[in-house]
Amino acid sequence: DSGVTQTPKHLITATGQRVTLRCSPRSGDLSVYWYQQSLDQGLQFLIQYYNGEERAKGNILERFSAQQFPDLHSELNLSSLELGDSALYFCASSAGQGIVTGELFFGEGSRLTVL
Amino acid sequence: AQKITQTQPGMFVQEKEAVTLDCTYDTSDPSYGLFWYKQPSSGEMIFLIYQGSYDQQNATEGRYSLNFQKARKSANLVISASQLGDSAMYFCAMKSSGNTDKLIFGTGTRLQVFP
Repeated sequence: DSGVTQTPKHLITATGQRVTLRCSPRSGDLSVYWYQQSLDQGLQFLIQYYNGEERAKGNILERFSAQQFPDLHSELNLSSLELGDSALYFCASSAGQGIVTGELFFGEGSRLTVL
Repeated sequence: AQKITQTQPGMFVQEKEAVTLDCTYDTSDPSYGLFWYKQPSSGEMIFLIYQGSYDQQNATEGRYSLNFQKARKSANLVISASQLGDSAMYFCAMKSSGNTDKLIFGTGTRLQVFP
């Protein structure tokens, strides 16, 4: 158990809909990262938050948005969903102090299926 | 730009044998970290081993060792005495000082261990 909690584990929805994925980081970790894993794109970094502020942005679509709340949990909002958004969405956390040592701790992922 | 390359989409190994999974990287940062993660069929991302760019010795963690060749920019994972439970996807990843502390992943290698 990594200590990172993601909900829901599975989600099935229709095109055009909006969903919210939730992540609680490990106790004490200030940084939260969101990754998307799809069959054709591999593990793609979406966005990072550190202590409530956006720190880095990757290949995140404009239809997607995220935030980190004062209690450090984070939510990833996906809107106007398309079939291609079907993927496994991972949240990870770390102390996030900008040092190269130290792994990211991953949650078990939220598997999104868009029909 | 940082990049991780894993050229082996799939590998087979017999139980109890050793196997090497290849990883090459590209970065201009002098300080970086290299990581290997395992993703079994259940989907979670499991941290295996870490190597820092300034580490003098190759990292080892139980049956996992990292063959770090800095001049060649390679960080191959060696799994000794393979077990059936080692069958999984394996991802090489990098974190560098000039890139916040997010991880950049390779495309992965699927390892299958047979009896």
